[in-house]
Amino acid sequence: AQKITQTQPGMFVQEKEAVTLDCTYDTSDQSYGLFWYKQPSSGEMIFLIYQGSYDEQNATEGRYSLNFQKARKSANLVISASQLGDSAMYFCAMRETGRRALTFGSGTRLQVQP
Amino acid sequence: DGGITQSPKYLFRKEGQNVTLSCEQNLNHDAMYWYRQDPGQGLRLIYYSQIVNDFQKGDIAEGYSVSREKKESFPLTVTSAQKNPTAFYLCASSIRTSGRKDTQYFGPGTRLTVL
Repeated sequence: AQKITQTQPGMFVQEKEAVTLDCTYDTSDQSYGLFWYKQPSSGEMIFLIYQGSYDEQNATEGRYSLNFQKARKSANLVISASQLGDSAMYFCAMRETGRRALTFGSGTRLQVQP
Repeated sequence: DGGITQSPKYLFRKEGQNVTLSCEQNLNHDAMYWYRQDPGQGLRLIYYSQIVNDFQKGDIAEGYSVSREKKESFPLTVTSAQKNPTAFYLCASSIRTSGRKDTQYFGPGTRLTVL
């Protein structure tokens, strides 16, 4: 079974609108961390936001927020007020207990249209 | 400036050759990682190291080797035993913090092409 599933290969959004990128995960651990990264065409992975499994509130970082639904095992990224520079690949990743490395999903390509 | 550097940016290899990808960080991070990315896919872990002189295989270690002689450096050798080495290689590092965050930060990557 896939540990991280991103079901949207590609998404389009109009500039200044909000967009939600989906991520579901599979783990039997009680303690884990969820991450979102942005990968522009240059290739570098840019850290956006983190959510711990025991965090009571949804994480927010500027225009990025995470809609964390633990019972449904989903950690969707919400980007508000999209900008042209948000066009990129977005990856969801998870770190499980006892493993420092990350497991990544297959990514979602977001295109922001003017 | 603190960060992670990878070199070269582009690398071409003939079949049967070993090549070494460089990764250096000056963030004073204890852990370093190598990932491979194929077109249209996510990242897969090759090797990681939590301390100097120690490293562990990841999910796709066959055909690769690493060393960690210094805290700042974690070179990856792609050997001739790697059947399909053409890919984008990303190095990352992280520091263990209180709590569970341990965020990984990435270098700019090396694109390897086998001719």
